[in-house]
Amino acid sequence: AAGVIQSPRHLIKEKRETATLKCYPIPRHDTVYWYQQGPGQDPQFLISFYEKMQSDKGSIPDRFSAQQFSDYHSELNMSSLELGDSALYFCASSPTLPISGSLFSGNTIYFGEGSWLTVV
Amino acid sequence: AQSVTQLGSHVSVSEGALVLLRCNYSSSVPPYLFWYVQYPNQGLQLLLKYTSAATLVKGINGFEAEFKKSETSFHLTKPSAHMSDAAEYFCAVSGTEGGKLIFGQGTELSVKP
Repeated sequence: AAGVIQSPRHLIKEKRETATLKCYPIPRHDTVYWYQQGPGQDPQFLISFYEKMQSDKGSIPDRFSAQQFSDYHSELNMSSLELGDSALYFCASSPTLPISGSLFSGNTIYFGEGSWLTVV
Repeated sequence: AQSVTQLGSHVSVSEGALVLLRCNYSSSVPPYLFWYVQYPNQGLQLLLKYTSAATLVKGINGFEAEFKKSETSFHLTKPSAHMSDAAEYFCAVSGTEGGKLIFGQGTELSVKP
C-alpha cells in the first residue's frame, strides 16, 4: 500500500540557509500534518492543512512556513536556519472519511519516514 | 487541552516476558488515544488506536491496550516479548478524530535474550 512520501530523506544545511521539505500524502488523504522531533524528544506538532487551508497551528517558528498544494502535497519551508532546527521532520496524512479496506477505522493519521535535517 | 504522560523512559524485559508500557492521559474532552512505535532511524508506525468503540483495543504485532476512564490510563501490553519489539514507543492523544496528536515523552523498550 502507498505510504506518506517525504523528500529529501536527509539534508545538511548551514546556519542562516533555507531548506524546503516535501511531503506527498497517501492518495485520497486530504489532511497533512507536520511534526518536528528533536534528538531524544517526542514529536512536536508544527502545523496542519485540510483541503489546502491551514487547519491548525502548533509550535512552528515564524521562520518556518508551509502550504498544501492543489495535488495535496505539502512543503515546509524553513529560513534563517539555526543549529536548534536540527531534527527529524515528519509529515503525516489522514483522510477525512475512512477508506474501505484500511487497517484502522476512522481517519487515522499515518506518518512518513521523516526527513533528517542537520544544520551545521 | 490534552496531554499524556508515559511512566518510565526505559523498560527492559526478557524475551518471552510480558510487556507493559504505561500511559496516562489528561483530556478536557473524550479522548482519542494512540500508541505508535518508532524503530531506530525510522518513522512512526501506528500500533493501535482507541476511539470509544471498545475499551480493549487490539493492534498489530500482538499488542493491545485497555482504556480505563476511571484511571485515565491507556497502558500498552503484549503477552510475550520478542527481540524485534525493541523500539521506542509513544503514546499520543487527540481531542478530535484526525486532529493533531499530542505525544508523550516516549518509552524505550529493550528486550534481552
